[in-house]
Amino acid sequence: QKEVEQDPGPLSVPEGAIVSLNCTYSNSAFQYFMWYRQYSRKGPELLMYTYSSGNKEDGRFTAQVDKSSKYISLFIRDSQPSDSATYLCAMSAETSYDKVIFGPGTSLSVIP
Amino acid sequence: DADVTQTPRNRITKTGKRIMLECSQTKGHDRMYWYRQDPGLGLRLIYYSFDVKDINKGEISDGYSVSRQAQAKFSLSLESAIPNQTALYFCATSDWKGPQYFGPGTRLTVL
Repeated sequence: QKEVEQDPGPLSVPEGAIVSLNCTYSNSAFQYFMWYRQYSRKGPELLMYTYSSGNKEDGRFTAQVDKSSKYISLFIRDSQPSDSATYLCAMSAETSYDKVIFGPGTSLSVIP
Repeated sequence: DADVTQTPRNRITKTGKRIMLECSQTKGHDRMYWYRQDPGLGLRLIYYSFDVKDINKGEISDGYSVSRQAQAKFSLSLESAIPNQTALYFCATSDWKGPQYFGPGTRLTVL
């Protein structure tokens, strides 16, 4: 079993839809959680990062962590074609974000 | 200007050649990392450095070496490139208490 699992997609939604992207993990020591967005042929761009359980909101994006279920989610409200990208979850057990484990990514297409 | 830059952005080379990928950052971070990305495998850590005098192997360091020339510069070398080193290579930086920030990547093809 991989440490971090993520549905690779592709996920296709109409513009304006609410998107839910999810990751599961096996290591209960993970306590730092991140979401990156990666456009084709570009480097991963940090979207959100959070510590431990709970929700964090930033504009149209909400990150949710459920440590009891070892499950994290990224919600995108009012999705736009510019949100079309691959989304990587990442997590770390270390206090300083080192030794980060990345999920393989979910490919998202938002159709106008 | 970008905070993390990588050169070259694209490189095609032949089996057995030595190649160096370079990374520079203006974020003032102490920590720098090299990853490779392959389809379906995600990002895998090759080497990381906490400061100029500290170099650590990552998950897949065989066939690679690194040099930390300064706080802002971290280079990755393939001493004798082989075709299965064809991949996207990313440099990243972080400070001691925050997440990692990535460069734009180098697309390397080994023929």
